Amino acid sequence: DQQVKQNSPSLSVQEGRISILNCDYTNSMFDYFLWYKKYPAEGPTFLISISSIKDKNEDGRFTVFLNKSAKHLSLHIVPSQPGDSAVYFCAASPSSGANSKLTFGKGITLSVRP
Amino acid sequence: NAGVMQNPRHLVRRRGQEARLRCSPMKGHSHVYWYRQLPEEGLKFMVYLQKENIIDESGMPKERFSAEFPKEGPSILRIQQVVRGDSAAYFCASSLRTGGVSYEQYFGPGTRLTVT
Repeated sequence: DQQVKQNSPSLSVQEGRISILNCDYTNSMFDYFLWYKKYPAEGPTFLISISSIKDKNEDGRFTVFLNKSAKHLSLHIVPSQPGDSAVYFCAASPSSGANSKLTFGKGITLSVRP
Repeated sequence: NAGVMQNPRHLVRRRGQEARLRCSPMKGHSHVYWYRQLPEEGLKFMVYLQKENIIDESGMPKERFSAEFPKEGPSILRIQQVVRGDSAAYFCASSLRTGGVSYEQYFGPGTRLTVT
């Protein structure tokens, strides 16, 4: 049972344009969400997170939007750069008041064309 | 400020042998998580440990797999009698103990296990 879904396996965008990566979840207990970026043969790198008490969090070129009623979140990257080409994982965690395990989606491969 | 360290980076074992994967968390981090990534899949949670304690092992296979995080030294993920299906990338992550809402886990580079 895939509790975190990234339904589009890949996305290709032109340099300078916006990249929008989508993620859906099914578990109502999730209330903390994270995006990780991963290059081949490396570990995931933390990008940005959002708590369910917010609907938007911004950090430089990266913005994450959360629609809790739709159980949907998205990562916007603007402007996109060739160095952004990587696999992006959405992850979620339930509220526990403490550190807890992450449930990951299968990832989206982003290619930014020069 | 060293990040999460894992060794070895690559490990080849024959079927039936034992595999030991090591993880040193970031300085000051007392929580360690192990995840496994199969080809074309996302990362799957295996086990969550604090020093000398297993907090959540709900993702660990019932047999052949064990994990520890001793008072001194790295966390160890041990796989006994490996089979081909154990071939995967194993990632360790660590996080800082906090009573707040920070859940960021920082990942190591992974150990790629190949069972021949």
